[in-house]
Amino acid sequence: KQEVTQIPAALSVPEGENLVLNCSFTDSAIYNLQWFRQDPGKGLTSLLLIQSSQREQTSGRLNASLDKSSGRSTLYIAASQPGDSATYLCAVRSLNAGGTSYGKLTFGQGTILTVHP
Amino acid sequence: GAVVSQHPSWVICKSGTSVKIECRSLDFQATTMFWYRQFPKQSLMLMATSNEGSKATYEQGVEKDKFLINHASLTLSTLTVTSAHPEDSSFYICSARDYGRVYEQYFGPGTRLTVT
Repeated sequence: KQEVTQIPAALSVPEGENLVLNCSFTDSAIYNLQWFRQDPGKGLTSLLLIQSSQREQTSGRLNASLDKSSGRSTLYIAASQPGDSATYLCAVRSLNAGGTSYGKLTFGQGTILTVHP
Repeated sequence: GAVVSQHPSWVICKSGTSVKIECRSLDFQATTMFWYRQFPKQSLMLMATSNEGSKATYEQGVEKDKFLINHASLTLSTLTVTSAHPEDSSFYICSARDYGRVYEQYFGPGTRLTVT
């Protein structure tokens, strides 16, 4: 059974800092990995999706890396801003039972990020 | 593109009543829809997966007679919480998989259910 862990659980930084959020997963047989942002009381916004064959993806100030063999992913946020304050969720899509296609999406507990001015 | 809507965004109901939550894919066809539940400060837990025209597949521990899921069309899925109790109060989020992009799911804005 896939388990996804995110560290730290909460992070508070001053504006302008570069920061790293960590995600680890127990089963390296994954289809892809996705990072989401969730604002309080809201749904999920997809930030970056990394296929199992990729090592990283970038979008603006965000960069996500994937090391499938070690079961780890990091989300790097450059020059953080107060508007980045939210909960960041890592989700891993496992392979199906036959190992040939996509299976279930498993979420981590999230990292609550606060960027103060 | 790839917008998923939910209605209502929040609902308060009395214990013992039933409440229906709608999930729609607005600009794509969703052959598969997912229903998640999220407790405060916790992650999303998958409740069930539904395919259009088929019965939903429920995760272990989820009562299918309590959480009725209907996926009647390629753009609409509904979750009905029957005989709701205060412990059913939670944030319910639906998600839809685009028929043309099966490796990615799109999430709705969520519905806050409070049972009094």
